[in-house]
Amino acid sequence: NAGVTQTPKFRVLKTGQSMTLLCAQDMNHEYMYWYRQDPGMGLRLIHYSVGEGTTAKGEVPDGYNVSRLKKQNFLLGLESAAPSQTSVYFCASSSPIAGTKYFGPGTRLTVT
Amino acid sequence: KNEVEQSPQNLTAQEGEFITINCSYSVGISALHWLQQHPGGGIVSLFMLSSGKKKHGRLIATINIQEKHSSLHITASHPRDSAVYICAVRSDRGSTLGRLYFGRGTQLTVWP
Repeated sequence: NAGVTQTPKFRVLKTGQSMTLLCAQDMNHEYMYWYRQDPGMGLRLIHYSVGEGTTAKGEVPDGYNVSRLKKQNFLLGLESAAPSQTSVYFCASSSPIAGTKYFGPGTRLTVT
Repeated sequence: KNEVEQSPQNLTAQEGEFITINCSYSVGISALHWLQQHPGGGIVSLFMLSSGKKKHGRLIATINIQEKHSSLHITASHPRDSAVYICAVRSDRGSTLGRLYFGRGTQLTVWP
């Protein structure tokens, strides 16, 4: 039981490049989330999903897209990376009943 | 104004001391989470509570719904408790139902 995993762990992009972050969970959780964490600020919700095939915008969705084609995976895409997207990205999952959130180890992204 | 305020921002203690971290919030909530983030970046859920008090080992979390306040206590603190402690509340209101609001975290350092 691996919990929540994220790939990659680190990435450096040039402005304008695109990439996809993958989050996978093996706990059969319905809910999945993508957050970003920046120095001096709390975690901020980018997008979330309450089930396979459904996604919704969070607090800071601009510049990001997501997909939840399979229940266990939640993908976060950056179509045209900008330096403002330099951050640490965390994925999390939870069940609607228990509510406890399980976080992935994070992806440190730098956009130059 | 942040919906969730934590105090103190930074806390230094000697091993063995009793530690209290406070969290105040301004939104209606269905649950409150305490999270721990270690220097390596991983985030772990410590508690989820909606009333009263929970205890796990040396950690105790309390919540007062009327006063919109929660505290996290660590008894007999240890250097391995050094981490950032994050308070997050789950909204119970309308369009933000289920959304988590995060505090900015309290950096705890425990010296041997």
